[in-house]
Amino acid sequence: QVQLVQSGGEVKKPGASVKVSCKTSGYTFINQDISWVRQAPGQGLEWMGWIRASNANTNYAQKLQGRVTLTTDTSTSTAYMELRSLRSDDTAVYYCTRGGSSSTYGLDVWGQGTTVIVS
Amino acid sequence: QSVLTQPPSVSGAPGQRITISCTGSSSNIGAGYDVHWYQHLPGTAPKLLIYGNSNRPSGVPDRFSGSKSGTSASLAITGLQAEDEADYYCQSYDSSLSEGLFGGGTKLTVL
Repeated sequence: QVQLVQSGGEVKKPGASVKVSCKTSGYTFINQDISWVRQAPGQGLEWMGWIRASNANTNYAQKLQGRVTLTTDTSTSTAYMELRSLRSDDTAVYYCTRGGSSSTYGLDVWGQGTTVIVS
Repeated sequence: QSVLTQPPSVSGAPGQRITISCTGSSSNIGAGYDVHWYQHLPGTAPKLLIYGNSNRPSGVPDRFSGSKSGTSASLAITGLQAEDEADYYCQSYDSSLSEGLFGGGTKLTVL
């Protein structure tokens, strides 16, 4: 079955960077986009950006432009999200999910989430 | 304030029918972009409930249905069950912002 398995939780200091991995299995990696979504404590879901696994084209939320980078490693079917210059309001659960921002099929499979605490 | 507007909360008794609205604009829902709905239980990953405005993924009960008209979309749940108590989010794409969007989320309480 299709699975997205994320790396473990992180605690970072303000100003540092974090890189979260998302290892996929059960489907052809390059045929699908990967989106990243986060949820801060007590807040709703926030779309961060997506990457097309076939050609590494990316699209980022304007709010995060310049601080976030999405990449993929097609040899291991793994996607990565790096967020730099961390602030306290970046404390959130970060999810990778299969699908693009304008996909007809929605975000159909989600990783288990990675908690990032900035303190 | 979210570009896609949802009511913060809705409630209903077991067995009843409720609807959750998602209001957008001419640059997202009104531009023809698909609306998707997710159910989010605390401590778990969100789950795709409705895709492409009105389609249910395999395994989602037919108590859940979606519709779209103009610049708005709706999620309906019939035969409310205690296990439906969760947060629900609509999601689409905005051409002006060139990015994906989530609504602010709606907390469903089953009385």
